[in-house]
Amino acid sequence: QSVLTQPPSASGTPGQRVTISCSGSSSNIGSNTVNWYQQLPGTAPKLLIYSNNQRPSGVPDRFSGSKSGTSASLAISGLQSEDEADYYCAAWDDSLNAVFGGGTKLTVL
Amino acid sequence: QVQLQESGPGLVKPSGTLSLTCAVSGGSISSSNWWSWVRQPPGKGLEWIGEIYHSGSTNYNPSLKSRVTISVDKSKNQFSLKLSSVTAADTAVYYCARDLGTSGAAFDIWGQGTMVTVSS
Repeated sequence: QSVLTQPPSASGTPGQRVTISCSGSSSNIGSNTVNWYQQLPGTAPKLLIYSNNQRPSGVPDRFSGSKSGTSASLAISGLQSEDEADYYCAAWDDSLNAVFGGGTKLTVL
Repeated sequence: QVQLQESGPGLVKPSGTLSLTCAVSGGSISSSNWWSWVRQPPGKGLEWIGEIYHSGSTNYNPSLKSRVTISVDKSKNQFSLKLSSVTAADTAVYYCARDLGTSGAAFDIWGQGTMVTVSS
């Protein structure tokens, strides 16, 4: 069981806006920033959002992140077929370890 | 740009020790970054194993701490993972990754991953 809680699945049609939630506690999300990863089948994860809402160079602005209290969300607007992937949230925990969510499988219908 | 490459045996016997190395190229392991190991069992999610700084300081996942050792070799620009007393539950793809250096868990560069199977 993962420390951060994500829905196991999400779906949307092309062009739609989809959000994925990530719930934690005061020792992780509540006191540290949240990061999001995209993992395409058979590949290493890719950093999508860091520090709650910052996009690394090359990540489209269709991807955005937010955080409130002990929860965070990843939003994907203008959904595209290539966005079909697994998405993970992650944060540092004050017990000096990194924690991940269980992952959300996004299906583009 | 910085690249990471994992290497090590793809098959380890139960009760044995898993040993992997991550070679850093295109940059120095002595930069202001922490370097991590992350694993992913087949069909499952990501699990952080631990991290090391070039000074040798480490942090480990509490659930694995008793079995994990991460070390750094600055002369070879690489860091390593040892996981002892392995069982089938340790079968996974093992990734090494660089932490961006914000407030932790922001891994901006990843190796391609190496599959390790624990089996007799």
